[in-house]
Amino acid sequence: DAKTTQPPSMDCAEGRAANLPCNHSTISGNEYVYWYRQIHSQGPQYIIHGLKNNETNEMASLIITEDRKSSTLILPHATLRDTAVYYCIVRVHGSGNTGKLIFGQGTTLQVKP
Amino acid sequence: EPEVTQTPSHQVTQMGQEVILRCVPISNHLYFYWYRQILGQKVEFLVSFYNNEISEKSEIFDDQFSVERPDGSNFTLKIRSTKLEDSAMYFCASSEDSPYSGANVLTFGAGSRLTVL
Repeated sequence: DAKTTQPPSMDCAEGRAANLPCNHSTISGNEYVYWYRQIHSQGPQYIIHGLKNNETNEMASLIITEDRKSSTLILPHATLRDTAVYYCIVRVHGSGNTGKLIFGQGTTLQVKP
Repeated sequence: EPEVTQTPSHQVTQMGQEVILRCVPISNHLYFYWYRQILGQKVEFLVSFYNNEISEKSEIFDDQFSVERPDGSNFTLKIRSTKLEDSAMYFCASSEDSPYSGANVLTFGAGSRLTVL
């Protein structure tokens, strides 16, 4: 699976958009980008995933660059409850993949009042 | 919203004792996983399980560990003879998506904290 690089920490003001970057320059054509988050040692929580196109759901938006070497997770209106560690994970799908996720260190997002 | 349920939430045990951590995956899910997280460290993959057999296991998942789906609802992780370094949060996850076709979203439980003294 491709390796990802994320900043170790970021701050965001409550009510503002939080933009979390992720570099995955070695991503290959059949690897999806997934975002999970972990709030204070709770179980990781799925946020969003994408392959090539930008995606949006009720939690967030995912912007993937045209060359797919980087992506940005956008929380449009961050709240204090969004304070968490955010993990960007790229994973191959298809033959030989058992579904495991490889977690890195992630980005610790601190939302401040 | 359906959730993955784990018990116990916290277990304290003596070194050398056997521990069983239990998980009830989401009912229509067929793919099951165990992860662990030592305090302050990354979430680490232990094992994936499908169709009543292990699909993949990590180097951490040695002979002291075993998994079982004893009935239609429970998925258990057994540690045969616990060591101090087994102290961690253990997360169970399940998915309805086949990892062999398309995207595969995992739903995690809240975790079981294991403390080995």
